[in-house]
Amino acid sequence: SAVISQKPSRDICQRGTSLTIQCQVDSQVTMMFWYRQQPGQSLTLIATANQGSEATYESGFVIDKFPISRPNLTFSTLTVSNMSPEDSSIYLCSVEGLGQTQYFGPGTRLLVL
Amino acid sequence: GENVEQHPSTLSVQEGDSAVIKCTYSDSASNYFPWYKQELGKRPQLIIDIRSNVGEKKDQRIAVTLNKTAKHFSLHITETQPEDSAVYFCAASKMAGTALIFGKGTTLSVSS
Repeated sequence: SAVISQKPSRDICQRGTSLTIQCQVDSQVTMMFWYRQQPGQSLTLIATANQGSEATYESGFVIDKFPISRPNLTFSTLTVSNMSPEDSSIYLCSVEGLGQTQYFGPGTRLLVL
Repeated sequence: GENVEQHPSTLSVQEGDSAVIKCTYSDSASNYFPWYKQELGKRPQLIIDIRSNVGEKKDQRIAVTLNKTAKHFSLHITETQPEDSAVYFCAASKMAGTALIFGKGTTLSVSS
């Protein structure tokens, strides 16, 4: 399976600011996804990061709030914009390997004060 | 869209007992069903998966069964050990290139 890293691993931010989370994979992958996991909850898909085109967002998530970049097949960023305490969550990227298997990055733990 | 229901939300067993977690899905086009284990503070780890052309798959102490007609699949853990304690998530997807839709998770506690 691919080796996936995320930066930062955790952060504490003030409301109204923005944070960009990076996801790096050690091999080229076609599909990358961003999920949010609120405390004690399951994983919710934010968007599919498409290489060379705009991300595809799930219902309830919009580009202005969660802009995503995918400049190449090994890297993606997710920005959480104009943060509020409700954005406090773990943000995880995942990549699709062979046969639809998905592997997750270690996550970014965000606390918004 | 796809909806995945997972039961129970919590499960407590004695070491050595078996544990069963069940999921149902709504979209008959779903064809891939993975199970993830998430320990506290860690990322979800894929532990086993099954595809729609297979009814059962086993890997040592864990097994997954799939009933396409009823649209449900189950995770079976035999001879449970304290290190099996974690949150387990089921998920479903329709085809390669599509994201996973997750169940709400089951917190498994194995006491020695």
